Amino acid sequence: DTGVSQDPRHKITKRGQNVTFRCDPISEHNRLYWYRQTLGQGPEFLTYFQNEAQLEKSRLLSDRFSAERPKGSFSTLEIQRTEQGDSAMYLCASSPTRGTGANVLTFGAGSRLTVL
Amino acid sequence: AQSVTQLDSQVPVFEEAPVELRCNYSSSVSVYLFWYVQYPNQGLQLLLKYLSGSTLVKGINGFEAEFNKSQTSFHLRKPSVHISDTAEYFCAVSSYGNKLVFGAGTILRVKS
Repeated sequence: DTGVSQDPRHKITKRGQNVTFRCDPISEHNRLYWYRQTLGQGPEFLTYFQNEAQLEKSRLLSDRFSAERPKGSFSTLEIQRTEQGDSAMYLCASSPTRGTGANVLTFGAGSRLTVL
Repeated sequence: AQSVTQLDSQVPVFEEAPVELRCNYSSSVSVYLFWYVQYPNQGLQLLLKYLSGSTLVKGINGFEAEFNKSQTSFHLRKPSVHISDTAEYFCAVSSYGNKLVFGAGTILRVKS
């Protein structure tokens, strides 16, 4: 068990460019979550998947943001036409829905985005 | 909808002193409660959780928390802190295993 992996760890981009983040959850976890964290704030929920189905999206997730989990394993979060306000840490987490770890989220180290 | 209020944005404390980080939540349904710790430039690490059963929950690194349903609180305590406990601590709530809702965080600064 290697935990939740996120890539890249750091991304610097210019305003208007597109960026994509990848998350590899713990293999037996069927739920996958994306959160965004800005300086001095707690993580804010963006969206989550159960297997390949996207079950909920926050109103924070504008139409420039899209998340996928095509085979129910890894997930990608794409931000199109980045804005300076998108600068944040993007956190991925996963959890099982059964067993002793059910309902407990395990987080990755995060992907830090800086938009210049 | 759930919400979480962490009453202190920063808590300074001397090494080996006790500490309490306060957390209140609001929810119209039964909840699960969590405390996570975040060290600089790292992700969130689970400290402890309350899902059901005993209201006094023990976690890693000597931390414990008590679920108080009547006061809708889940305060985090440690009887004696170390320099290495310096970090940001987040209280979080979920209902029936759905998404976590986090508080704004409390920075614990342990001084020697």
